[in-house]
Amino acid sequence: NAGVTQTPKFRVLKTGQSMTLLCAQDMNHEYMYWYRQDPGMGLRLIHYSVGEGTTAKGEVPDGYNVSRLKKQNFLLGLESAAPSQTSVYFCASSIQGINQPQHFGDGTRLSIL
Amino acid sequence: SQQGEEDPQALSIQEGENATMNCSYKTSINNLQWYRQNSGRGLVHLILIRSNEREKHSGRLRVTLDTSKKSSSLLITASRAADTASYFCATGGTSYGKLTFGQGTILTVHP
Repeated sequence: NAGVTQTPKFRVLKTGQSMTLLCAQDMNHEYMYWYRQDPGMGLRLIHYSVGEGTTAKGEVPDGYNVSRLKKQNFLLGLESAAPSQTSVYFCASSIQGINQPQHFGDGTRLSIL
Repeated sequence: SQQGEEDPQALSIQEGENATMNCSYKTSINNLQWYRQNSGRGLVHLILIRSNEREKHSGRLRVTLDTSKKSSSLLITASRAADTASYFCATGGTSYGKLTFGQGTILTVHP
């Protein structure tokens, strides 16, 4: 049982390049989330999805886009990478929204040079 | 903006001692959750306490919630070196399950 799988685990980009981070979950969860974690900042919500075909903005959505074409996958795209987007990105999923725990992947460590 | 403020930022104890971490928040909530993060790994859910609950136990973990003071505490009893990790509180307050995380407490348990 894999849970939440994130690919890639590490990536280095140059400023201005684009890339897509993939999150896959095998728990048939409806809700999925993308967070970024920066030193001393805790986790901040970038975008989330409450079901296949839906997406919504979180706390820090600028510079990112997402898609949820299949229930098990949630993609995070960086359109034109900036050094400020250097961070660790975590994907999470939950059965449904309220009063449910979230299950996290092990993260993608992204450096923008 | 961070909903949860955790205290202390770092805690260093000896194996066998108890560890207490505190979390304060600002707005009304539906639930409060605690997560553990080992170095280089993702967050692992530990315990969820609903706003109408005051205390919850899970193994060596005890969580209390005081909604009148907008605060929660996580107690780890008889700590082990394997408990060394960062611990985060997260508050849930909306229907779609959005969680707002605190900055975390770094716990170091010395063997």
